[in-house]
Amino acid sequence: GQQVMQIPQYQHVQEGEDFTTYCNSSTTLSNIQWYKQRPGGHPVFLIQLVKSGEVKKQKRLTFQFGEAKKNSSLHITATQTTDVGTYFCALIQGAQKLVFGQGTRLTINP
Amino acid sequence: ETGVTQTPRHLVMGMTNKKSLKCEQHLGHNAMYWYKQSAKKPLELMFVYNFKEQTENNSVPSRFSPECPNSSHLFLHLHTLQPEDSALYLCASSQDLYGLRSPLHFGNGTRLTVT
Repeated sequence: GQQVMQIPQYQHVQEGEDFTTYCNSSTTLSNIQWYKQRPGGHPVFLIQLVKSGEVKKQKRLTFQFGEAKKNSSLHITATQTTDVGTYFCALIQGAQKLVFGQGTRLTINP
Repeated sequence: ETGVTQTPRHLVMGMTNKKSLKCEQHLGHNAMYWYKQSAKKPLELMFVYNFKEQTENNSVPSRFSPECPNSSHLFLHLHTLQPEDSALYLCASSQDLYGLRSPLHFGNGTRLTVT
């Protein structure tokens, strides 16, 4: 089946530093979604990307869909303690089944 | 408030017990899902219902039995579980199947411990 690789698995930064997580697929994607799960919480939808090369911003968060629609990234500028959590990408696999990546767990040193 | 309510929040059960997890969504969605989240594994899709009809059983052991009486309610019946079944069980819903045009909304989950 389609392989989803999300890297890094863990990332620890100082507050104020930037953070990026990457999601890579072995096949071309129709779309990709990003979710955030706070510690002890549940995944919450952040955004969906559909178009090749698409870039979307939500305040300090920048989401990008690769030109070949095989990869995506989430970049956080100047992290804050409220950014702590695990970030998941989710993509449609084969017969349109939503598959989640392994997630990147972000911790922040205040 | 997520619009998706799961009960109970925590459950401890022995391997011979029978228990049920409940999920209710107040969003008017047509598709509902059960996911399992373990400490070191990504979200694992277990079951999918669309318009209360099961469309996916992701090779889940028969000790997990789902039930969807209507589009708003989803149950997961548990019996003779194993310690390795201890995990966070998340219910989710979406307007269309697999959230292709709309995202998944997750409940707070049930933290299950099997002793």
